[in-house]
Amino acid sequence: DAGVTQSPTHLIKTRGQQVTLRCSPKSGHDTVSWYQQALGQGPQFIFQYYEEEERQRGNFPDRFSGHQFPNYSSELNVNALLLGDSALYLCASSQGLAGTTDTQYFGPGTRLTVL
Amino acid sequence: QKEVEQDPGPLSVPEGAIVSLNCTYSNSAFQYFMWYRQYSRKGPELLMYTYSSGNKEDGRFTAQVDKSSKYISLFIRDSQPSDSATYLCAMSGYALNFGKGTSLLVTP
Repeated sequence: DAGVTQSPTHLIKTRGQQVTLRCSPKSGHDTVSWYQQALGQGPQFIFQYYEEEERQRGNFPDRFSGHQFPNYSSELNVNALLLGDSALYLCASSQGLAGTTDTQYFGPGTRLTVL
Repeated sequence: QKEVEQDPGPLSVPEGAIVSLNCTYSNSAFQYFMWYRQYSRKGPELLMYTYSSGNKEDGRFTAQVDKSSKYISLFIRDSQPSDSATYLCAMSGYALNFGKGTSLLVTP
């Protein structure tokens, strides 16, 4: 049973560029959440997708946007990259909209470095 | 004040010791409490998941929740070098709210 997968593993961008990160949820899961984890910090919630719609959003600017596809996979897009966007971006999947309080399983993350 | 407080450590113990990890929280609306283990440069791995106050045991791990004190703990018995990792507490509102993580080193 494949767990949560994310691509790419690592990414280096320069300030002002745009980036797209991808996530495939665990088999049987239909809800995808994205988190940002800065070095030495716990993950911070960015947003959550269910039924191809953004359902909840954390305290992140509009430069952060996302999408969910009919097969439940998801993308995270970040525009106008800042140095402070350098972090590990984690995708977590769960089952059903109640997945906001249900068990979330995390992927290995994408490490983004902004120069 | 952050909603979830966790001492970042680092915490260093000898192999075989009992480890106690703790978090406090301020939001009484939190209903679900989890502990995740995160190895360096990896994603968090779910260890324990609890809902109510009390204890839950799984092998060498025991999770304890005291909602009246807004305090949760994770105990690791007979700690092993392979337990060396960062331990994150997490609590659910509409999303998971994480502590900063406690870095644990178990020395042989």
